[in-house]
Amino acid sequence: EAQVTQNPRYLITVTGKKLTVTCSQNMNHEYMSWYRQDPGLGLRQIYYSMNVEVTDKGDVPEGYKVSRKEKRNFPLILESPSPNQTSLYFCASRTQNTEAFFGQGTRLTVV
Amino acid sequence: GENVEQHPSTLSVQEGDSAVIKCTYSDSASNYFPWYKQELGKRPQLIIDIRSNVGEKKDQRIAVTLNKTAKHFSLHITETQPEDSAVYFCAAGEYDMRFGAGTRLTVKP
Repeated sequence: EAQVTQNPRYLITVTGKKLTVTCSQNMNHEYMSWYRQDPGLGLRQIYYSMNVEVTDKGDVPEGYKVSRKEKRNFPLILESPSPNQTSLYFCASRTQNTEAFFGQGTRLTVV
Repeated sequence: GENVEQHPSTLSVQEGDSAVIKCTYSDSASNYFPWYKQELGKRPQLIIDIRSNVGEKKDQRIAVTLNKTAKHFSLHITETQPEDSAVYFCAAGEYDMRFGAGTRLTVKP
């Protein structure tokens, strides 16, 4: 089954404690992205990747890191999380000019 | 990068009425324009899309129109039903897809 898998689904952490949200897709898609969703602000892009070892900043990259060492995986890293990073996060993958497939979402709370 | 604006932010209609959501985009190179529906607690799901070589596309009660010259596209839902209540997002972008801020549609029985 074609899918994008994110883990964990829910995470509560403390300020400053490094965390990683994993994302994996099995559709051999070139493009992968991370978005955060906040009420009234829609889906804002954090980072995107056009292929292995090629990443670029989206609209809200501050406080986040990503890596794309393999085509299928695109982890999101928060080196020192802060409360303003409390949000719902989605990973998505696609090929050029086609629909984006979303993961299940990760609800992150930073206290 | 692409910039997408979406209006209105909320829309309330009576069951059976039509609903229209409008989006504008900034990058004239964009060629693909999808619409997503997001139900509470779930991931966004594609409901219809249109490519720039087409002006209009219809799928049952849902239609999308595209005006490339004006750089805007619209979602039309006819004969709305309570199960159409959700948040709808438009998007654009060749590879780094950008989304509008969303429209919360409420269909009142």
